[in-house]
Amino acid sequence: DAGVTQSPTHLIKTRGQQVTLRCSPKSGHDTVSWYQQALGQGPQFIFQYYEEEERQRGNFPDRFSGHQFPNYSSELNVNALLLGDSALYLCASSSAGTGPYGYTFGSGTRLTVV
Amino acid sequence: RKEVEQDPGPFNVPEGATVAFNCTYSNSASQSFFWYRQDCRKEPKLLMSVYSSGNEDGRFTAQLNRASQYISLLIRDSKLSDSATYLCVVNTGGFKTIFGAGTRLFVKA
Repeated sequence: DAGVTQSPTHLIKTRGQQVTLRCSPKSGHDTVSWYQQALGQGPQFIFQYYEEEERQRGNFPDRFSGHQFPNYSSELNVNALLLGDSALYLCASSSAGTGPYGYTFGSGTRLTVV
Repeated sequence: RKEVEQDPGPFNVPEGATVAFNCTYSNSASQSFFWYRQDCRKEPKLLMSVYSSGNEDGRFTAQLNRASQYISLLIRDSKLSDSATYLCVVNTGGFKTIFGAGTRLFVKA
């Protein structure tokens, strides 16, 4: 299957810790967008990576950072975790220029901060 | 004001009913518009794009009113399998795509 793969699927962390989430885009896609979805809410845009650069960012603090590798896979890092960071983190891949027409989402990583 | 606002749910309708969802967006420079569907504890999936001329895909019709900054989705002849959360999505230009909070639909037998 050449869909979007996210890991891990579930994660429990303690307040103050740091976490790294991973995303492998769909085959043929070169752009990765990260979203945070709290329970009962829509996905909130965190940032988008293309050509290993962050090219747009939503209203998230600097505790949220990311990286894209030459093979287009991406990581989302969150430092100094807060209880409010508990959410489903979704990765969407696409080809440059297609935007949300061509978004393919992964199944997400469910992060619980205790 | 939120950038994308949707009707609060949930909508509870019987099978066969017609149901309409509304969405407004605040950025007049927004360029492209979509409806996504999200099943419980699953990832969002594209349902359809929304064009100024309106577009239809089977039982689903989407409309865009740029002057009023308003998007709608009409579902005719609702099926049990239509039960899901419907997300209004707006691309504001650049590389930022905003999702609404979603409207939950329950279709009952």
